[in-house]
Amino acid sequence: AQKVTQAQTEISVVEKEDVTLDCVYETRDTTYYLFWYKQPPSGELVFLIRRNSFDEQNEISGRYSWNFQKSTSSFNFTITASQVVDSAVYFCALSEAHKGTYKYIFGTGTRLKVLA
Amino acid sequence: GAVVSQHPSWVICKSGTSVKIECRSLDFQATTMFWYRQFPKQSLMLMATSNEGSKATYEQGVEKDKFLINHASLTLSTLTVTSAHPEDSSFYICSARDGQGASYEQYFGPGTRLTVT
Repeated sequence: AQKVTQAQTEISVVEKEDVTLDCVYETRDTTYYLFWYKQPPSGELVFLIRRNSFDEQNEISGRYSWNFQKSTSSFNFTITASQVVDSAVYFCALSEAHKGTYKYIFGTGTRLKVLA
Repeated sequence: GAVVSQHPSWVICKSGTSVKIECRSLDFQATTMFWYRQFPKQSLMLMATSNEGSKATYEQGVEKDKFLINHASLTLSTLTVTSAHPEDSSFYICSARDGQGASYEQYFGPGTRLTVT
């Protein structure tokens, strides 16, 4: 069955600390996409990254980096030198072409609090 | 590109009334749109998937007669919450999928906060 697990419900760090948000997924498809979204208190989902199942290269974007490992079905997200503005809920999501619907399966989210 | 708008951004209505939420893809044609609801401190829960010109497919446990979805054009889908009750108060988010090719990505609207008094 398709599933996305974000085991960390809430994480608190002090500003400038590095933090890693975990995401583990389950799928039977060989072709799929993985996403990370940020949801600040305003509620609007902010797209962070998209990764397809055939591209295992790690990615870095400023203070953000992602580690995709198919061998462990994980797609972890690291924020380096965290800032108060990083405080938000972060969702990992899996998209498959399930019967042509391309539904998203969301994880339960990780609430990150960055303290000044 | 790939902008999705929702209207209204927030609405307060009285119990027993109906409220309509619009979702528009502004710069692309959306063959598929999705409606989610999100309760406080919870994840997004998919309510239904709608394809342009056909009936919506509802997820298990979602009342199709209560949450009416219309996807009349490639850029507009509407969700009508009929006979709303306080337990329907939630954050409703729509998303749209670009109809060009086998796109796995959804573009999300900013959400509509519904409060039923």
